[in-house]
Amino acid sequence: GNSVTQMEGPVTLSEEAFLTINCTYTATGYPSLFWYVQYPGEGLQLLLKATKADDKGSNKGFEATYRKETTSFHLEKGSVQVSDSAVYFCALRTNSGGSNYKLTFGKGTLLTVNP
Amino acid sequence: NAGVTQTPKFRVLKTGQSMTLLCAQDMNHEYMYWYRQDPGMGLRLIHYSVGEGTTAKGEVPDGYNVSRLKKQNFLLGLESAAPSQTSVYFCASSRQGRRGEQYFGPGTRLTVT
Repeated sequence: GNSVTQMEGPVTLSEEAFLTINCTYTATGYPSLFWYVQYPGEGLQLLLKATKADDKGSNKGFEATYRKETTSFHLEKGSVQVSDSAVYFCALRTNSGGSNYKLTFGKGTLLTVNP
Repeated sequence: NAGVTQTPKFRVLKTGQSMTLLCAQDMNHEYMYWYRQDPGMGLRLIHYSVGEGTTAKGEVPDGYNVSRLKKQNFLLGLESAAPSQTSVYFCASSRQGRRGEQYFGPGTRLTVT
């Protein structure tokens, strides 16, 4: 079956530090990959996505590249801000068959950015 | 544009009590989902619906029932609450097809004592 593995947190960084949150996946076929962000007390928001190999998703300074050869979709940001403090979820969705609309989530990584 | 809304935001139940969580979306989405979020577990799919009048089981359906009588609403019911159902519940919706990203509601925090 499908699965997503993210690096375990919590991750604590100082403002302007470089961020990497690792995400690897197991899936049949060619899934779409997503990063969702959950700010304290809120629901999940889509941060970025990539739908095919070598695609790069980007938003708000965050980037992730769909690497089929390493089955990875690592999230990066060059300079984090205090406002980036949140829980980040990697997720995949298969694009074929009867379940091509269901998301499989990783366990989430808590990021805290200190001023 | 409200997006996805959930009612209530918080609830405390005693073991054995019943309740219904309401999810509403105003985006005319075909698909709707109920997830639960537990510490260290990520989000797990409870039930989902691909259209009005249809529902299906997700990853962790036991102890829950759902109904989708109207396209814009998706109800999650707990007939006899148990402490193991203490969690944060999220509803989501998406449009049909491969490009349909999921939009999430703000969540309902449920405690069963």
